[in-house]
Amino acid sequence: EDQVTQSPEALRLQEGESSSLNCSYTVSGLRGLFWYRQDPGKGPEFLFTLYSAGEEKEKERLKATLTKKESFLHITAPKPEDSATYLCAVGSGGSYIPTFGRGTSLIVHP
Amino acid sequence: DVKVTQSSRYLVKRTGEKVFLECVQDMDHENMFWYRQDPGLGLRLIYFSYDVKMKEKGDIPEGYSVSREKKERFSLILESASTNQTSMYLCASSPPEGMSGQYFGPGTRLTVT
Repeated sequence: EDQVTQSPEALRLQEGESSSLNCSYTVSGLRGLFWYRQDPGKGPEFLFTLYSAGEEKEKERLKATLTKKESFLHITAPKPEDSATYLCAVGSGGSYIPTFGRGTSLIVHP
Repeated sequence: DVKVTQSSRYLVKRTGEKVFLECVQDMDHENMFWYRQDPGLGLRLIYFSYDVKMKEKGDIPEGYSVSREKKERFSLILESASTNQTSMYLCASSPPEGMSGQYFGPGTRLTVT
């Protein structure tokens, strides 16, 4: 059974204070690792897909990296508008259905 | 841009009512999903569909049914709403090739009183 663990559960940063969110996973045959951003009361917004170890993707202040056991979402010089819950999910084998982690709630204080 | 729309953002229903939640996507995606999201429990899959008229049970299908008569539309039905079905309901779609990220709708906050 695929498993996804995100840490920390919650993170508070000051504006400009860079940090990383972690997504550890165990799967049989990784097909893809996905990052989402979710604002309160809204649906998750797709950010990145990573397919193989060593791959990196960037979008504005966000950079996602992937190893064989975990993925990191690096947030560089965050702003208050980066406050959200960040979800990680993995797809494996021939399944259409990704396995989601519980998310990291990020609050960036001005 | 992919767009997934849901019929209502907020819905209040009474116990025992039949409830229809509709989802429409405009990207010709084969796969469509219904999740519910509750604090502390994360996203839980109710049903998914990989083609028109095809459906598969997810992790928590009890008390729910689905309908997919057209490729772009996937409906979730609560046959007899109960208070423990009060939740945020999220629809998502994805293309069939390989593994790809899902595109979510804005969600429906359902309250059953």
